[in-house]
Amino acid sequence: AQKITQTQPGMFVQEKEAVTLDCTYDTSDPSYGLFWYKQPSSGEMIFLIYQGSYDQQNATEGRYSLNFQKARKSANLVISASQLGDSAMYFCAMREPYGGATNKLIFGTGTLLAVQP
Amino acid sequence: DADVTQTPRNRITKTGKRIMLECSQTKGHDRMYWYRQDPGLGLRLIYYSFDVKDINKGEISDGYSVSRQAQAKFSLSLESAIPNQTALYFCATSEARDNQPQHFGDGTRLSIL
Repeated sequence: AQKITQTQPGMFVQEKEAVTLDCTYDTSDPSYGLFWYKQPSSGEMIFLIYQGSYDQQNATEGRYSLNFQKARKSANLVISASQLGDSAMYFCAMREPYGGATNKLIFGTGTLLAVQP
Repeated sequence: DADVTQTPRNRITKTGKRIMLECSQTKGHDRMYWYRQDPGLGLRLIYYSFDVKDINKGEISDGYSVSRQAQAKFSLSLESAIPNQTALYFCATSEARDNQPQHFGDGTRLSIL
């Protein structure tokens, strides 16, 4: 069965520094998608970045990049130049195999990031 | 206006009451989902719908029911609420393409006393 693991319950980072949030996944299917979401204290879920299993290059979106290591089954989120507004819970999620019956997302338990001034 | 709107945003109720959470979207997506978030457990899928005539159970559907009234509306009901259904509930929508993200509403914080 597919599974997402986020081993860092919480992290601190200094403002303007880069931070890496870890995510490992488990699937036996060759075709899948990986997503990162941000949840600020206000509660909403904000989509950040996507990586497809067949994508040749690591995904980037502004200050967010995804360090995708397929052989290690890891999809770590890198936030460059951290800002105070980056303080939030971050969730890694995997889309079931493309063409699968449910197309649902499987979420990790999240990492709480605190950016310190 | 938000693309995915959930009502109410907050609700406190008593054990045994019937509760309905509503979700409407203006994104034109066919696929809609209801998730539940509990501390330390991430989000878990309750029900999902790929169109008006297609309703499917997720991993934790017991104690819940849904209704897809139209392409834009998907409601979640708790027929007889119990305290362990206290959680943050999210509605989400997505396009049919696999590489597209799910778009979430702002959530409904439900407390059952």
